[in-house]
Amino acid sequence: NAGVTQTPKFQVLKTGQSMTLQCAQDMNHNSMYWYRQDPGMGLRLIYYSASEGTTDKGEVPNGYNVSRLNKREFSLRLESAAPSQTSVYFCASVDSNQPQHFGDGTRLSIL
Amino acid sequence: QKEVEQNSGPLSVPEGAIASLNCTYSDRGSQSFFWYRQYSGKSPELIMSIYSNGDKEDGRFTAQLNKASQYVSLLIRDSQPSDSATYLCAVRNSGSARQLTFGSGTQLTVLP
Repeated sequence: NAGVTQTPKFQVLKTGQSMTLQCAQDMNHNSMYWYRQDPGMGLRLIYYSASEGTTDKGEVPNGYNVSRLNKREFSLRLESAAPSQTSVYFCASVDSNQPQHFGDGTRLSIL
Repeated sequence: QKEVEQNSGPLSVPEGAIASLNCTYSDRGSQSFFWYRQYSGKSPELIMSIYSNGDKEDGRFTAQLNKASQYVSLLIRDSQPSDSATYLCAVRNSGSARQLTFGSGTQLTVLP
């Protein structure tokens, strides 16, 4: 049982490049989330999807877009990467009132 | 803005001691509270969840919740060097799609 799988694990981009971070869960969870974590800080919510077909902004959505492709997959896109988006990105999923399950993270550096 | 505050670290305790981690939250309607442990370079892993006032024990870990004071704590008894990590308090917001708001974390070091 893989849980929450994120790809890629590491990525280096140049300013202005675009990329998509992928997330897939095999637990049949309805809700999925994208967070970013910067040094010395907790996780901040970028976007979430309460259920298939819906997406909503979180605390720090600027510069990002998301797609809930199906119940399993929730992708995060950076259209024009900026150095301020250098961070570790975590995807999570949850069902009912259970705790969220996290992926291993994507470490993204933007030069 | 719904906030979760954790006592600033880093926190150092000797091996075998009790480590006490504290957290306060601003959303009075919150009903679910979680403690995650995060090792350096790793993803957060759940160690405790608590939903009712009082204490909840799981092995060496005890979570304490006081909704009237909007306060959550985590006690780690007989601390081990392997407990050295950052501990994140997370609160599930009321009226939302199971969103969590995280504190900034407390870095714990257990000294051998």
